Amino acid sequence: EPEVTQTPSHQVTQMGQEVILRCVPISNHLYFYWYRQILGQKVEFLVSFYNNEISEKSEIFDDQFSVERPDGSNFTLKIRSTKLEDSAMYFCASRDRVGNSPLHFGNGTRLTVT
Amino acid sequence: DQQVKQNSPSLSVQEGRISILNCDYTNSMFDYFLWYKKYPAEGPTFLISISSIKDKNEDGRFTVFLNKSAKHLSLHIVPSQPGDSAVYFCAASGSGGYQKVTFGTGTKLQVIP
Repeated sequence: EPEVTQTPSHQVTQMGQEVILRCVPISNHLYFYWYRQILGQKVEFLVSFYNNEISEKSEIFDDQFSVERPDGSNFTLKIRSTKLEDSAMYFCASRDRVGNSPLHFGNGTRLTVT
Repeated sequence: DQQVKQNSPSLSVQEGRISILNCDYTNSMFDYFLWYKKYPAEGPTFLISISSIKDKNEDGRFTVFLNKSAKHLSLHIVPSQPGDSAVYFCAASGSGGYQKVTFGTGTKLQVIP
């Protein structure tokens, strides 16, 4: 069964550094998402992306965040200047259509900001 | 702003018995509801969904019930198995736009052998 893959599985970075989290969505999917989960808390929506542009973003997704689909397969989340509170699991998800179809998630990248 | 609520953070059930996980929502624009299962160090895995035109959807041991008037849904697992032990997230989505999925806080299910 096709799956969403994310790399790296764990990223440790110092406060103020830039990080790029990478995702390869399922190949025929058109809608892409980033979510995050701070330890012990709920899975929170960050941003959705369709047709090479952001379609919706949450208040968490401020100017330090950006997303990109640089080629036909990768989908990336960049955090320009990491803060301690950015430490979380970051999940990429994709779906083949909107309208009653589930999101399929990758296994996440654990980001630790020290 | 908790639009999707799971009021029970944890649930313990004996193997072979029924597990019932509950979820409430406040946003009347939600019309598609999902349950995800999550193991530690893995992403959420889709289990089952239901659209607002139905009140029940069944898939093997898993059944989801939707009560629109009460803005309540539940997931029934029968019979429960030790491998079902995980965190279960209720989630909901509205129609229109690109339909982000909003998650509840999760219920940790432990199935005791």
